[in-house]
Amino acid sequence: GAVVSQHPSRVICKSGTSVKIECRSLDFQATTMFWYRQFPKQSLMLMATSNEGSKATYEQGVEKDKFLINHASLTLSTLTVTSAHPEDSSFYICSARGDPEEKLFFGSGTQLSVL
Amino acid sequence: GIQVEQSPPDLILQEGANSTLRCNFSDSVNNLQWFHQNPWGQLINLFYIPSGTKQNGRLSATTVATERYSLLYISSSQTTDSGVYFCAVGRYNNNDMRFGAGTRLTVKP
Repeated sequence: GAVVSQHPSRVICKSGTSVKIECRSLDFQATTMFWYRQFPKQSLMLMATSNEGSKATYEQGVEKDKFLINHASLTLSTLTVTSAHPEDSSFYICSARGDPEEKLFFGSGTQLSVL
Repeated sequence: GIQVEQSPPDLILQEGANSTLRCNFSDSVNNLQWFHQNPWGQLINLFYIPSGTKQNGRLSATTVATERYSLLYISSSQTTDSGVYFCAVGRYNNNDMRFGAGTRLTVKP
């Protein structure tokens, strides 16, 4: 099956710093990737849709200047949390769509802790 | 947007038991998928099933699109089945997929 790699798996940073999370499709090309946020014992909340070669589409209420998304190639999307604050602490997960059934395949997630 | 409701929210089983998880949705959909999130956070795609029935080993799923629900069956449960099962639906394409709140399954040895 399709494999999506996400790094890092865990990051701890100081308040005010920026953190970059990478999401790669290893064995298929993904024109579209998705970024989610998940709080403990809650469901996944879609943050944005990342489209290769164009600007990301953000969900309502998600600050685009706070969560920068770049999808520079068909196999890589990055999420940068800028000037992170403790309230940005969360589990961030990426996914990519695989053809032909349009199944979603997920990365292993990144646990971000902002001190 | 589409509302997705999953039931039950929590389920505790003894190893070897069978179970049925339900996903109700509020509007017609073209995309429905079931996922399992293990205790370490990894989500695995179980089924892409906008309609009909599919089986994969001890798991099977049925979606009755006209009645707006889907069922996930787990037979002869094992401790490794523990985790959270999510149903996600989309009306147009993957870009509008919405997740239910999940069913947290605990299988005891």
